[in-house]
Amino acid sequence: AQSVTQPDIHITVSEGASLELRCNYSYGATPYLFWYVQSPGQGLQLLLKYFSGDTLVQGIKGFEAEFKRSQSSFNLRKPSVHWSDAAEYFCAAANSGNTPLVFGKGTRLSVIA
Amino acid sequence: SQTIHQWPATLVQPVGSPLSLECTVEGTSNPNLYWYRQAAGRGLQLLFYSVGIGQISSEVPQNLSASRPQDRQFILSSKKLLLSDSGFYLCAWSVNTAYEQYFGPGTRLTVT
Repeated sequence: AQSVTQPDIHITVSEGASLELRCNYSYGATPYLFWYVQSPGQGLQLLLKYFSGDTLVQGIKGFEAEFKRSQSSFNLRKPSVHWSDAAEYFCAAANSGNTPLVFGKGTRLSVIA
Repeated sequence: SQTIHQWPATLVQPVGSPLSLECTVEGTSNPNLYWYRQAAGRGLQLLFYSVGIGQISSEVPQNLSASRPQDRQFILSSKKLLLSDSGFYLCAWSVNTAYEQYFGPGTRLTVT
């Protein structure tokens, strides 16, 4: 079955430190890939997406993600985290068929001073 | 530009009462529409999605139902709420099932 795994439930980083959130997918073919962010009590906001082409994708708020086919991964990165980045992050994937996006269970990011 | 609205923003309902949550999208035609639920501290659970008027796919056939009476309107309903229906309900839309979804602000439902 198609699935998306985010191995880390909760990550804490210091403000100004670099960040990497992990995402692995299990699909027969390379899916479309997405990262979303959710602040408490709000809806999800799309950070970036990957359909094809350049494997390093730039998004909003200074985030980027790298697609690695050999590792079935699409990890999210940010070189310097700000306190306002504290939120829940969701990775999602979809194939080109008629089934909706499959979301990972999310990673909660805490930022400490 | 496209916008998505959900109301109400918050709702407190007693067990056994009915429910109606509404979602509308502006600025696009024939969107795919989705209802999700987030229980406290848990991930997203897809409840229903619709690729057109009157076309509803149910992912979690429990105490809830969905309807799409108009192209850009998606309604989530229940005849009798359960305590387990409490949660954060999110509506989303996309231009294609496999493409990115855009989410509304959500409705916080508390069943007492």
